[in-house]
Amino acid sequence: QSVLTQPPSVSAAPGQRVTISCSGNSSNIGSNYVSWYQLLPGAAPKLLIYDNNKRASGISDRISGSKSGTSATLGIAGLQTGDEADYYCGTRDSSLTASWVFGGGTKLTVL
Amino acid sequence: QVQLVESGGAVVEPGKSLRLSCAASGFTFSSYVIHWVRQAPGKGLEWVAVVSYDGNYKFYAESVKGRFTISRDNSKNTLSLQMDNLRLEDTALYFCAKDFTGTYSPTFDVWGRGTMVTVSP
Repeated sequence: QSVLTQPPSVSAAPGQRVTISCSGNSSNIGSNYVSWYQLLPGAAPKLLIYDNNKRASGISDRISGSKSGTSATLGIAGLQTGDEADYYCGTRDSSLTASWVFGGGTKLTVL
Repeated sequence: QVQLVESGGAVVEPGKSLRLSCAASGFTFSSYVIHWVRQAPGKGLEWVAVVSYDGNYKFYAESVKGRFTISRDNSKNTLSLQMDNLRLEDTALYFCAKDFTGTYSPTFDVWGRGTMVTVSP
């Protein structure tokens, strides 16, 4: 069971906007920056968002991130079929000397 | 081109050992903290271990502490993960990942494609 909680799946039609939530606690999201990653089968995971809301190099402005308290949200606007992938949130956890935690992942389906 | 390439994955029996490697290129390897992260089949990402830029400091997830050893050779731009006393639950795709800022940040900005470890009787 993952430390951070994400919905197992989300779906939307091409062109629409979807959001993926990530919930944690005061030791992880509440006190650290959140990052978001895209995983495609056979490919290296790709960093999308870091420091809660900053887009990584080369990432489309259709991608956005936000954080409030102990929760974070990834937004993808103008959905394209190429956006179908698994998305993970991640951060550090301050409850241990050195620990990094992730969500369980969300499968995005573009209908 | 910044790149990480993992190797060494295999099918092994429970209780056996295996050593994974990660070859880095395109950046100053010796300046960055590097991690191992794994993904069991059908499961989410799990952080495994991290090593400081100079190799002097190492931290592990509780699930692998005492069985896995992370190390690095900055002269060869290589990261390693020695896995001993393997268990069925260690079956996973193992990724190496580069710390974004170099100093234990919450972000991994470069990942490899992973190497598969299967622990099976």
